[in-house]
This record gives sequence, C-alpha cells and structure tokens, in this order.
Amino acid sequence: AQSVTQPDIHITVSEGASLELRCNYSYGATPYLFWYVQSPGQGLQLLLKYFSGDTLVQGIKGFEAEFKRSQSSFNLRKPSVHWSDAAEYFCAVGGNYGQNFVFGPGTRLSVLP
Amino acid sequence: DAGVIQSPRHEVTEMGQEVTLRCKPISGHNSLFWYRQTMMRGLELLIYFNNNVPIDDSGMPEDRFSAKMPNASFSTLKIQPSEPRDSAVYFCASNRQGSDNEQFFGPGTRLTVL
Repeated sequence: AQSVTQPDIHITVSEGASLELRCNYSYGATPYLFWYVQSPGQGLQLLLKYFSGDTLVQGIKGFEAEFKRSQSSFNLRKPSVHWSDAAEYFCAVGGNYGQNFVFGPGTRLSVLP
Repeated sequence: DAGVIQSPRHEVTEMGQEVTLRCKPISGHNSLFWYRQTMMRGLELLIYFNNNVPIDDSGMPEDRFSAKMPNASFSTLKIQPSEPRDSAVYFCASNRQGSDNEQFFGPGTRLTVL
C-alpha cells in the first residue's frame, strides 16, 4: 500500500538559515508527489508538485524539492527561511487520477527571530 | 475564482445530534475529496467522488458517516449521530481529473462535538 513518511515531527530553524524537510514515500507505480503548506487555522496550499521530467522542481515562496527515485524521497528545501514560513508542511503522494492520495503526518516548522 | 467553499466554518454540537457539512467545489472540477484532520491521526482521506460518483469510501470511519454529491457543484458530509471523537477539522478539496492532479483545498470546517 502507498504511504508517506516525514521523519521530523517538528523542526526549529533561525530566520535566514537554510531548511530541508524530509519526505519518503512508498508507491507501487509512478508517483505524483506534492508538498503542501498549512498555516495555523488555514487550509492547505500547494507549494510544488512533481510528475515527470526534471527531478528538481521549483515552487512558490522560494521552495524547491528534489525527486530521488533510488531513495524514494522528495525532500523540500529553501535556502533562506523567513519568519512567515512557520507552518505545517505536508508531503503527499497520489496516482494520476486522484486515486490513492495519501498525506504524510506533517512537519511543523518553527522559525526563530 | 472563489475557490472551494465550505460551510459552516465552525460547528459546535452535542453528542447524538446530526451534523451536516457542506462543500462547493471549484467550477469545472470533476473530482471532490473529503478529508478529516486531527492531532492524533493527521490528515485522512475519507471519501472521494469523480463526476459525482463515489469512487473510494474506504476511509469513512463507520456507518455514522455518509457523503453525497447530488450534482457537480455541491457535496455534503453527514454524521449521524455525532460523537465527541468526531471532533476534528474537515476539509473538502477538488480537482480536475486528468489534469495535473493538484487538489485545491477549502478552508475547512472545525467541528466540536460536546
């Protein structure tokens, strides 16, 4: 069965520092991979997605993610974190018709001034 | 575009009462998803529809939960009778099947069952 793991429940970084959030997935076919962000009390917003092609994908708000098939990973990165990036981040995997869509448990990001 | 619309935004009810959550997907989207988010279980897919037909309801926790999509612009998630453990945030999302598969989420309904 498909699954997504996010090993880090909570990460704290200083403003201006670099960030990497880890995501590993298990999926029986070619995965469609997503990163969503959820600010407190808000719905989920898509940061970026990967379907095929270049394994390094750029998203909104300066985020990027790299798909590594050999490691079944899709880690999210940002070179310099801003205080407004404090939120919950979810990695998700799904099939090409919306089936088997699974979210990871989320990583809560705190940003120190 | 108004995005996915959910109502109510907050619902407080007493155990045993019926609760109905509503969702209006983005116009032109033909798939609709209901999720439940709790601290303990994270984000769970309850059910999803394609072209108004339920495709996968394996995430619906029990018979007290039911979902309908009578037309392309409206869906309901009903809990009858409600229990305190149903307290959660319920999200509706929609997308256009066959496109790039991104799901657009509504703001959620925060349900509290006393």
